[in-house]
Amino acid sequence: AQSVTQLGSHVSVSEGALVLLRCNYSSSVPPYLFWYVQYPNQGLQLLLKYTSAATLVKGINDFEAEFKKSETSFHLTKPSAHMSDAAEYFCAVSRGYGGATNKLIFGTGTLLAVQP
Amino acid sequence: NAGVTQTPKFQVLKTGQSMTLQCAQDMNHEYMSWYRQDPGMGLRLIHYSVGAGITDQGEVPNGYNVSRSTTEDFPLRLLSAAPSQTSVYFCASSTGTGGSVKNIQYFGAGTRLSVL
Repeated sequence: AQSVTQLGSHVSVSEGALVLLRCNYSSSVPPYLFWYVQYPNQGLQLLLKYTSAATLVKGINDFEAEFKKSETSFHLTKPSAHMSDAAEYFCAVSRGYGGATNKLIFGTGTLLAVQP
Repeated sequence: NAGVTQTPKFQVLKTGQSMTLQCAQDMNHEYMSWYRQDPGMGLRLIHYSVGAGITDQGEVPNGYNVSRSTTEDFPLRLLSAAPSQTSVYFCASSTGTGGSVKNIQYFGAGTRLSVL
């Protein structure tokens, strides 16, 4: 079975500060890991994905995440927050091989607020 | 190229009524899925399809039916709506179940459903 835990349902940072959103996963098989962003009243957009290639994954809008197998983590970071980053962020996991690799298991989400 | 289109955007039902949430994609994607999003619970998979004529259950299938008669369309049917089905529903599609880095899920803008 697979699961995802996002630590912190709400995170607030100042504009220009480091963004760190935490995600830990549980998976009995090598996972694929994803970060999605949801702006108010919109669907989800893919920020980045890890598919067993490089452990440091770069995504859109200067976001990046590092896969750490020893810590079962896939934390999302951005060096400098912008007001437009205010949104809800979801970490998700799927099977890395075999079966329906498109079946995503989502975390409960982290709402990021950016203060001026 | 419209991507994934969901209709309606908003709907209010009375308990016991039936309705169909529509989802259409114009990207010739094999894989389509339905999720519901509830506060504090992230997104949960309801049903998914790996191609025309093939559907399967996700995490929370009870109270919902699906069919996939064409590649483009994947409607979600509520046969007898209940207040517990008040939620935001998202449809998603992707190219398939392979491990390609191009295989990502595209989400529609969602349908906001209230059951009174």
